[in-house]
Amino acid sequence: DTGVSQNPRHKITKRGQNVTFRCDPISEHNRLYWYRQTLGQGPEFLTYFQNEAQLEKSRLLSDRFSAERPKGSFSTLEIQRTEQGDSAMYLCASSSPQGWRTTGNEQFFGPGTRLTVL
Amino acid sequence: AQSVTQPDIHITVSEGASLELRCNYSYGATPYLFWYVQSPGQGLQLLLKYFSGDTLVQGIKGFEAEFKRSQSSFNLRKPSVHWSDAAEYFCAVAGMEYGNKLVFGAGTILRVKS
Repeated sequence: DTGVSQNPRHKITKRGQNVTFRCDPISEHNRLYWYRQTLGQGPEFLTYFQNEAQLEKSRLLSDRFSAERPKGSFSTLEIQRTEQGDSAMYLCASSSPQGWRTTGNEQFFGPGTRLTVL
Repeated sequence: AQSVTQPDIHITVSEGASLELRCNYSYGATPYLFWYVQSPGQGLQLLLKYFSGDTLVQGIKGFEAEFKRSQSSFNLRKPSVHWSDAAEYFCAVAGMEYGNKLVFGAGTILRVKS
């Protein structure tokens, strides 16, 4: 079990550019989540996948954001036409298929990707 | 709607002193409750969780928390703080009726003075 990994760890981009982040969940986990964390705040939910299906999306996920999990394994989060307000830590988490009653849907977090938009 | 309040933005304790971090939640049904810790520039590590059974739960690194339904609280405690405990602590709530997401509080930054 190597844990949840995210790449890149840091990304600096200019306003208006597109960026893509990758998340590799724990291998046997079928549930994957994206969160955004700004300075001084707790993480805020963006979206959730069960296998390859995107089942929940937050209103925070504007039309400039898109997330995919094409084969039910790794996921990507793309931000188009970045804005300075997109600067944040983007966290990925995964949880096992055992579900609520067994594990309380415990989520395991990756180290995050810190995005800075200049 | 579910929400989480962590009333203390910063707390400073002396090394060896006891610690209590407060967390209050708002949720209609029985909640699933979590405490996570985050070191600077890092992801979140789960300290402990409550979702059924004994309301006093033990976690890693000597932490414990008590679920008090009557007070809608899930406070985190440690009897003797170590300098390595300095970090930011987040309380989170979840529940099946509100989807699969965790809802986090704003966090409490713990400083440990020697």
